[in-house]
Amino acid sequence: GESVGLHLPTLSVQEGDNSIINCAYSNSASDYFIWYKQESGKGPQFIIDIRSNMDKRQGQRVTVLLNKTVKHLSLQIAATQPGDSAVYFCAENMISARQLTFGSGTQLTVLP
Amino acid sequence: GAGVSQSPSNKVTEKGKDVELRCDPISGHTALYWYRQSLGQGLEFLIYFQGNSAPDKSGLPSDRFSAERTGGSVSTLTIQRTQQEDSAVYLCASSLGTAQYGWTFGSGTRLTVV
Repeated sequence: GESVGLHLPTLSVQEGDNSIINCAYSNSASDYFIWYKQESGKGPQFIIDIRSNMDKRQGQRVTVLLNKTVKHLSLQIAATQPGDSAVYFCAENMISARQLTFGSGTQLTVLP
Repeated sequence: GAGVSQSPSNKVTEKGKDVELRCDPISGHTALYWYRQSLGQGLEFLIYFQGNSAPDKSGLPSDRFSAERTGGSVSTLTIQRTQQEDSAVYLCASSLGTAQYGWTFGSGTRLTVV
């Protein structure tokens, strides 16, 4: 039978292009944000994090931007490669909550 | 070990049976978290441990779910009288503390209730 559930937002990019994955978070008191990558059959893998006192942070081929005014987070992947194909989740945390709250995820597909 | 280890990796059980899922966190990580991920969805918080105590059990879906942690290390998530809606991937993560540290996830246990 047909499975019922939420369909993930999807993003398809050509190999070598830059990817931008967006996330709207819910709690203005969140002070720490993380991007995770999840490949099929595996647990989420840490990519990059950012604290609320910053608006940009760069890693290797990845950049996270934080706009607290509109509660928006984005992940930019430069020169996207086939190995980048995965589901990407943003997560927000408040120290007081002591847990991460995850977004619904975006499926990134890299086209040859 | 080098990472968070979960066992079994896959579990198929009959409706009404009890199951135990195990998580071995990274050595020295005092905080341990359980999440559930249903097909095509995000991660749903279940419970976290700081040491052996669980200050926040608010995410457990029903009283059929329970978890314990012993020796500040291994944790077991138990689901009693399993139902089909319990089918999901159960993920465990650990971190150095409950402050702002990166969390490391295991590969999860895929539970299928038939």
